[in-house]
Amino acid sequence: GAVVSQHPSWVICKSGTSVKIECRSLDFQATTMFWYRQFPKQSLMLMATSNEGSKATYEQGVEKDKFLINHASLTLSTLTVTSAHPEDSSFYICSARRSRATNEKLFFGSGTQLSVL
Amino acid sequence: RKEVEQDPGPFNVPEGATVAFNCTYSNSASQSFFWYRQDCRKEPKLLMSVYSSGNEDGRFTAQLNRASQYISLLIRDSKLSDSATYLCVVNIGQTGANNLFFGTGTRLTVIP
Repeated sequence: GAVVSQHPSWVICKSGTSVKIECRSLDFQATTMFWYRQFPKQSLMLMATSNEGSKATYEQGVEKDKFLINHASLTLSTLTVTSAHPEDSSFYICSARRSRATNEKLFFGSGTQLSVL
Repeated sequence: RKEVEQDPGPFNVPEGATVAFNCTYSNSASQSFFWYRQDCRKEPKLLMSVYSSGNEDGRFTAQLNRASQYISLLIRDSKLSDSATYLCVVNIGQTGANNLFFGTGTRLTVIP
């Protein structure tokens, strides 16, 4: 099956630093990838849609200048949390689909647990 | 109103029990439905897609009721390893990116 690789799995950083998370589709090309955030005991909240070769589409309430998304190739999207603060501590997870067909399932990365001190 | 709603639980059931979860969706144009399983601090993994005619995979049965706009997941003969959060995912059918909606998940704990 398709594999999506996400790194790093855990990040602990000081307040004010920036953190970059990578999401790679290993055996398929993903023109679109999705970034989610999940707080404890809550569901996945879509943050943005990453489009290869163009700007990301952000969900309402998500600051695009704080959560920088770059989708430079068909297999790699990155999410950079800039000037991270303790309230940004969360589980960040990416996903990708092979196609835009409505019945296409999602393949998820393993997630990144971010802890900002 | 949320696009997808689930009872968050938790459901605590004894080993061997049968348990059912429901998930309601608000958009009647929704076309595809899925159940994902998520273990704590892990990525969601597809458990099964939900077809109009209903489908079964071993101990798991998924059903769709378009008239009432809900999908269900039935787990028979619960195992300890079934303990997880079960996410209902609905695709509202518009081809493109932002058409998937997640429920808040239903937490299941199977007790020995």
